Amino acid sequence: DAKTTQPPSMDCAEGRAANLPCNHSTISGNEYVYWYRQIHSQGPQYIIHGLKNNETNEMASLIITEDRKSSTLILPHATLRDTAVYYCIVRTLLHTGANSKLTFGKGITLSVRP
Amino acid sequence: EAQVTQNPRYLITVTGKKLTVTCSQNMNHEYMSWYRQDPGLGLRQIYYSMNVEVTDKGDVPEGYKVSRKEKRNFPLILESPSPNQTSLYFCASSHRTSGRSYNEQFFGPGTRLTVL
Repeated sequence: DAKTTQPPSMDCAEGRAANLPCNHSTISGNEYVYWYRQIHSQGPQYIIHGLKNNETNEMASLIITEDRKSSTLILPHATLRDTAVYYCIVRTLLHTGANSKLTFGKGITLSVRP
Repeated sequence: EAQVTQNPRYLITVTGKKLTVTCSQNMNHEYMSWYRQDPGLGLRQIYYSMNVEVTDKGDVPEGYKVSRKEKRNFPLILESPSPNQTSLYFCASSHRTSGRSYNEQFFGPGTRLTVL
């Protein structure tokens, strides 16, 4: 699986959009970009994933550059409860029978301030 | 509500005293897995199970055992805990991967274990 690079931390004001970057310059054509988050010592939570098109769900939007070497997770209206570590993970869709292990890096710590 | 539950949530024990951390999911998931999380080391997989009676080692299996007798349960067993197993443990589950599955994993709330 391709390696990802994220800045260690960032902050944003409550109610504003939080834009979390991720670099994955060695991504290959069959690898997806996934985002999970972990709110202080709770279990990680799936947010969104994408291949090359931009994706949106009830939690966030995912913008992937045309060359797929980087992406941005957007929380449109950040709240205090969005304060967490956000992990960008790149991996293929696995064949049936493969270990679905997730490899978490250090992630980016998002602090939402009042 | 779809969820993964773990018990206990907190446990303090002593070296050598056998313990079991339970994990249960109500989503009929085939795949289940255990991770431990330590400062500076991130989440590391201990064991995983592709289905009932099918288990395999992850990256850090030493000192742990698992069993998968029922689809919903995947207990983690520490036969003789040692202080280096002090950690935060997470159970996770998902549907078994397929070529069209994005494989969202659901994590339990965590078990904080301290071995003295």
